[in-house]
Amino acid sequence: DVVMTQSPLSLPVILGQPASISCRSSQSLVHSDGNTYLNWFRQRPGQSPRRLIYQVSKRDSGVPDRFSGSGSGIDFTLKITRVEAEDVGFYYCMQGTHWPLTFGQGTKVEIK
Amino acid sequence: EVQLVESGGDLVQPGGSLRLSCAASGFTFSSYWMSWVRQAPEKGLEWVANIKLDGSEKYYIDSVKGRFTISRDNAKNSLYLQMNSLTAEDTAVYYCMRGGLHSMDVGGQGTTVTVSS
Repeated sequence: DVVMTQSPLSLPVILGQPASISCRSSQSLVHSDGNTYLNWFRQRPGQSPRRLIYQVSKRDSGVPDRFSGSGSGIDFTLKITRVEAEDVGFYYCMQGTHWPLTFGQGTKVEIK
Repeated sequence: EVQLVESGGDLVQPGGSLRLSCAASGFTFSSYWMSWVRQAPEKGLEWVANIKLDGSEKYYIDSVKGRFTISRDNAKNSLYLQMNSLTAEDTAVYYCMRGGLHSMDVGGQGTTVTVSS
């Protein structure tokens, strides 16, 4: 199985400041169809996960443009330009290139 | 608005069975792969199973193969997960999620399965 490793696992941030989460996969996530199926999810306290980013850098509908995804191959990053209070929660990367689909351990984002 | 409502979670003894259901609305159910994702207490997310649009393909994580069966009824806009031979390691909140070939996007509020004697 592809192992997804996130860092840091805990990220205290100051409101209005940027934040960045790294995700590294144990294998290349480039699919045979040419796409890279790397997704980012946020799970707010007490809620189900919701996807923010798919195929490395494509934002889902309704996701603020302060969220951006980048990377290639095995190294990927989620960036928040200016953290807001509603951004608190756990963030997970997930690869959809290889079966089974696998998630990272999660990064807890909290306000400092 | 996309809505996914799970039900069927319960406290069950080891070796027991449960059937989870997910009622979908707000989108064309038959046009999407569907998945079950679970989250053990204080743990991260784990993909469990998914099913193709017409139910012709089904995939499972190794730890549930032979014990869990995913199914769907497109006429009822419903997704199911039949869980047999349950163990303590299956204790988790189970989320029904839209999508599943390469990604999922939204999930329901979850249903809690507790396996304990």
